[in-house]
Amino acid sequence: EIVLTQSPATLSLSPGERATLSCRASQSVSTYLAWYQQRPGQAPRLLIYDVSNRATGIPARFSGSGSGTDFTLTISNLEPEDFAVYYCQQCSDWPPYSFGQGTKLEIK
Amino acid sequence: EVQLVESGGGLVRPGGSLRLSCAASGFTFSSYTMNWVRQAPGKGLEWVSSIISGTNYIYYAASVKGRFTISRDDSKNSLYLQMNSLRAEDTAVYYCARPLNGGSGYYFAYWGQGTLVTVSS
Repeated sequence: EIVLTQSPATLSLSPGERATLSCRASQSVSTYLAWYQQRPGQAPRLLIYDVSNRATGIPARFSGSGSGTDFTLTISNLEPEDFAVYYCQQCSDWPPYSFGQGTKLEIK
Repeated sequence: EVQLVESGGGLVRPGGSLRLSCAASGFTFSSYTMNWVRQAPGKGLEWVSSIISGTNYIYYAASVKGRFTISRDDSKNSLYLQMNSLRAEDTAVYYCARPLNGGSGYYFAYWGQGTLVTVSS
């Protein structure tokens, strides 16, 4: 089973700043990696798939990069609505489809 | 518009059973693999089960295998999760999820609002 480890657990930033979130896989997932955003009380929302493709309706300030075992979600010019929990997910080796434990992006 | 609406959650005692349902609309349900993903209170996301369209191949997380049964009724555009021998650690919000149409991998693009299952005496 592939384990995804996200860092940091919590990231404290101010609106307008740039956020960099990391996801590391226990073995290569090639480019089969996605990022989700979850706001309090809401279902997760797909942001990025296949490492760097934005899902429908996702603003250009969200970008993804990486390959193999190390991946990054970058959010430039943070908006108030971006403060949420972010999860990575792999589909390279399944079952199971595994998720990272999440990074909470909070307002500083 | 794709819509997924879960129902059937509630409070159940350890060892008990519960059946969750997910009503789908806005897409050709029979063409898609469907999934259950859960989230324990204050915790992360955990994939639970998938049922493959057309073939009905089924997959389960190790944590639920032998206790949970996923099924679908394409004539009713509905997905189900029969949960038996429930444990306290099964307490979670259960989401029905549909994959992305497109892309190289398998990602959960559409989610229901979730239904809360609480296992407690």
